[in-house]
Amino acid sequence: EAGVAQSPRYKIIEKRQSVAFWCNPISGHATLYWYQQILGQGPKLLIQFQNNGVVDDSQLPKDRFSAERLKGVDSTLKIQPAKLEDSAVYLCASSLVEGPFFGQGTRLTVV
Amino acid sequence: DAKTTQPPSMDCAEGRAANLPCNHSTISGNEYVYWYRQIHSQGPQYIIHGLKNNETNEMASLIITEDRKSSTLILPHATLRDTAVYYCITSGTYKYIFGTGTRLKVLA
Repeated sequence: EAGVAQSPRYKIIEKRQSVAFWCNPISGHATLYWYQQILGQGPKLLIQFQNNGVVDDSQLPKDRFSAERLKGVDSTLKIQPAKLEDSAVYLCASSLVEGPFFGQGTRLTVV
Repeated sequence: DAKTTQPPSMDCAEGRAANLPCNHSTISGNEYVYWYRQIHSQGPQYIIHGLKNNETNEMASLIITEDRKSSTLILPHATLRDTAVYYCITSGTYKYIFGTGTRLKVLA
């Protein structure tokens, strides 16, 4: 069974630029999550989708972050404009019934 | 905020059992206890979960106290590859909130 796929693996951008991350969840998994993990901290939930609807986006900084999940499968997370404090690993995870399975993450560095 | 409390770090000798405690005193009746681990530069990896009975799989055992207010993850024969951050999470609504976890270092 293929795992959660994320791209790119690494991204370096300048502050005020925009960036997008892509996630392909495990086939058939209805729930998709985006987490932000700052160095030395645990993953922080940004947004949770059930199929293509948003279940929880209370921790998503909506002035600069946006996410969508078209057709209830793939998802993209966008940051526009990026700030230095957005430097982190962005993790995508998906689940069907039990605990989520995570991708390898995208390491974003904002300079 | 995370609803669990874990020690920030632990050491364990290679080949010995690693016992990682977790306190979840506010757990509600429908919430499961999940354990994940994260090896450097990788995404979190699912280990095991349980509701109230003890559970065992090929990776670990999970012991949940009768009152469900705490649990222990047991790695029966720790190896150097088990060095990682271990997270204990409670969830009953498909929402998984991570704390800061326990950094386990397995020593040769």
